[in-house]
Amino acid sequence: TQLLEQSPQFLSIQEGENLTVYCNSSSVFSSLQWYRQEPGEGPVLLVTVVTGGEVKKLKRLTFQFGDARKDSSLHITAAQPGDTGLYLCAGEGGRGSNYKLTFGKGTLLTVNP
Amino acid sequence: GAGVSQSPSNKVTEKGKDVELRCDPISGHTALYWYRQRLGQGLEFLIYFQGNSAPDKSGLPSDRFSAERTGESVSTLTIQRTQQEDSAVYLCASSFISNQPQHFGDGTRLSIL
Repeated sequence: TQLLEQSPQFLSIQEGENLTVYCNSSSVFSSLQWYRQEPGEGPVLLVTVVTGGEVKKLKRLTFQFGDARKDSSLHITAAQPGDTGLYLCAGEGGRGSNYKLTFGKGTLLTVNP
Repeated sequence: GAGVSQSPSNKVTEKGKDVELRCDPISGHTALYWYRQRLGQGLEFLIYFQGNSAPDKSGLPSDRFSAERTGESVSTLTIQRTQQEDSAVYLCASSFISNQPQHFGDGTRLSIL
């Protein structure tokens, strides 16, 4: 069974601060996705990382996939209240199960004005 | 509509009753997925449809859970003889084909009294 551990589980920071969320596994994933979920809504895909060592930037968000494709991080620079939400990482299974996403438990981020 | 639509958005029912949850995927999406999200948890895979067939039902928690899809479109998830531990948000997602990004609906929040 593939598992994804996310840390921290909760994070409360002030506007303007930087933060990093981690997603770790003992399993190798063919790709890893990051989602953001707001209360009462479904998750929305932010980014997919595929290649070991890959770094993707989305405005103030930087996503990195570990060299061994077992871990990933999300770094937010100068957080804003609009960044508040539940951040979920999800690993995509390998050949034969490329449809199957394994989700971490999420990091609930609160950015205070 | 443009996105994945789920109904009802909220459902409260008594223990022992049967419930049906509906998902209308994005038009043209051949792959459809059901997930369960318990409070404070990540998403738990339940079942995957490719067209009207379900090649992977491995996530269904018990034989009280079943799902079907017709016309390569609408899907229903049925829970028979509901139990309190079935209380959760049930999320549906669809994708153009199985290894493409999944688009989520806003879920059905199910509460079993």
